[in-house]
Amino acid sequence: SQTIHQWPATLVQPVGSPLSLECTVEGTSNPNLYWYRQAAGRGLQLLFYSVGIGQISSEVPQNLSASRPQDRQFILSSKKLLLSDSGFYLCAWSPLLAGGKDTQYFGPGTRLTVL
Amino acid sequence: AQKITQTQPGMFVQEKEAVTLDCTYDTSDPSYGLFWYKQPSSGEMIFLIYQGSYDQQNATEGRYSLNFQKARKSANLVISASQLGDSAMYFCAMREGQRGNYQLIWGAGTKLIIKP
Repeated sequence: SQTIHQWPATLVQPVGSPLSLECTVEGTSNPNLYWYRQAAGRGLQLLFYSVGIGQISSEVPQNLSASRPQDRQFILSSKKLLLSDSGFYLCAWSPLLAGGKDTQYFGPGTRLTVL
Repeated sequence: AQKITQTQPGMFVQEKEAVTLDCTYDTSDPSYGLFWYKQPSSGEMIFLIYQGSYDQQNATEGRYSLNFQKARKSANLVISASQLGDSAMYFCAMREGQRGNYQLIWGAGTKLIIKP
């Protein structure tokens, strides 16, 4: 079966510090990968998605970036965090299935607080 | 205009009763998919059920079923025989168009609390 891991689970960082959140998927190959952010009490905002190694699409302009150095690894980074970067970050994957269902499956999330 | 509308910000339901969570959507694309996710207090987003726009029958997954009324653009989630563990946020989401469109459009969510 497939599993998705995220770390760290929680993070408190000062404004202006760098960020690196990691997501890995097990039990599948060539997954589509996604980074979402969820503000408190809100729905999800898609930040990045990737359909393959080195292929990153950005949905929202911001000071965040994403990389996919390996097939099942997705990294979210920032050089300098802003207060507005606080939130709950979720990584998700979807399989390359025929039929268009493309259900997205989520990791446990990282709660980031920028002070 | 909102593409996904969940009109119930919060609901209280007695344990063992059935629950209906509302979701209406807006799209002009004939091909789309509708998803329901559960988010407990731990934060993880758990996939519950999927309905494709061309599916002839309403989707069911165990205690979850989707009341899909295409003409009304409604995709309500029904939970039968609610349990205390069903207390969580529930999100409705939609993907428009064919494969290759990875954007899920999310509703604001409904907070469901099951009372013992």
